[in-house]
Amino acid sequence: TQLLEQSPQFLSIQEGENLTVYCNSSSVFSSLQWYRQEPGEGPVLLVTVVTGGEVKKLKRLTFQFGDARKDSSLHITAAQPGDTGLYLCAGGYHPNTGNQFYFGTGTSLTVIP
Amino acid sequence: DVKVTQSSRYLVKRTGEKVFLECVQDMDHENMFWYRQDPGLGLRLIYFSYDVKMKEKGDIPEGYSVSREKKERFSLILESASTNQTSMYLCASRPEGAAGEQFFGPGTRLTVL
Repeated sequence: TQLLEQSPQFLSIQEGENLTVYCNSSSVFSSLQWYRQEPGEGPVLLVTVVTGGEVKKLKRLTFQFGDARKDSSLHITAAQPGDTGLYLCAGGYHPNTGNQFYFGTGTSLTVIP
Repeated sequence: DVKVTQSSRYLVKRTGEKVFLECVQDMDHENMFWYRQDPGLGLRLIYFSYDVKMKEKGDIPEGYSVSREKKERFSLILESASTNQTSMYLCASRPEGAAGEQFFGPGTRLTVL
């Protein structure tokens, strides 16, 4: 059973387009992280959000944590080929039950030059 | 630069073999994790450790065991490899703290024939 469902699973867009990736759950999380993974590498953290309704911006990337802390979105403006990769969300409970984060199913993004 | 290293990038083993995957981190982190990554399933936690000689089962521990004799090293053991354990294995470490960043190794792609 996946606690976190991401959509879409695959996304292929032209350079310069905007896109949104969604991460949804029926569970309430204390914090949520977004990672990007490039081929042949491990995931790398992009952002952590901890407050319901929180919005964080990282250059062209905008992250939002839902008010109820059950969902999150990642919006990319004017996508570039360097944004290509697998995007993973991960939700954590605190105090940690088992000290772990639960990862989503992943969204594979391809930005075509 | 912080670093998590894994002993092999690619590994091919035969059904029934005992397989050792090694992970070393140089950040003095308390927590270490082993995940497997399969398409469409995201990352699933196999085992984690929050201290030397301590271990906790994750979501899919069956067929695996772990060892943490030193703080910097966390080993994953496949007691008798099976074809359904063909996967990408990722090791991660994380400092103590509720929403700390996980640092991942580059992964080991294991094929069991």
